[in-house]
Amino acid sequence: DAKTTQPPSMDCAEGRAANLPCNHSTISGNEYVYWYRQIHSQGPQYIIHGLKNNETNEMASLIITEDRKSSTLILPHATLRDTAVYYCIPSSNTGKLIFGQGTTLQVKP
Amino acid sequence: GAVVSQHPSRVICKSGTSVKIECRSLDFQATTMFWYRQFPKQSLMLMATSNEGSKATYEQGVEKDKFLINHASLTLSTLTVTSAHPEDSSFYICSARVTSGGGQFFGPGTRLTVL
Repeated sequence: DAKTTQPPSMDCAEGRAANLPCNHSTISGNEYVYWYRQIHSQGPQYIIHGLKNNETNEMASLIITEDRKSSTLILPHATLRDTAVYYCIPSSNTGKLIFGQGTTLQVKP
Repeated sequence: GAVVSQHPSRVICKSGTSVKIECRSLDFQATTMFWYRQFPKQSLMLMATSNEGSKATYEQGVEKDKFLINHASLTLSTLTVTSAHPEDSSFYICSARVTSGGGQFFGPGTRLTVL
């Protein structure tokens, strides 16, 4: 399984874009990049995933570098409810998710 | 979106008893479900992968005879913590995958406290 590096914490002002980086330099060719978040004492919430193309959905955008060694999750207009721990997880078709420590995003008013 | 439920949300039991936790996919069929546990201030740890109609695959260090997993239907998987002890107290979370290569959807978790 590919290892990931994420900053332990980040702050973002409410209404601004939150850009969360992730390094996954050992990612395999068949591994997707998944992003989840966990709000305190709840189950993780699926955000988005991608293989090599950039992806966008109603929650976020995912930018994957051409060499696939890193990616950035973008929350375009962060709200207080986006305060959570965000996990970047490479995963193959087996579906196994190995959670790292993630990035604690604090959205401030 | 896909919804996964867990029951119960909280359970308190005495040491030595067994506890069963249910995980259901409410609006989709899940051939694969996963069980995790999370200790305070730690990340989620994958315990096992459960495939419908077959035996679960356990991660290294997880005792299969202590954590019994059954996935008898495409919408239900159960985790039974047998002979629970205080060190088994944790937040247990299940997830279900819609399709191969798709995202996993997580249940709300079950808080187990063993006295």
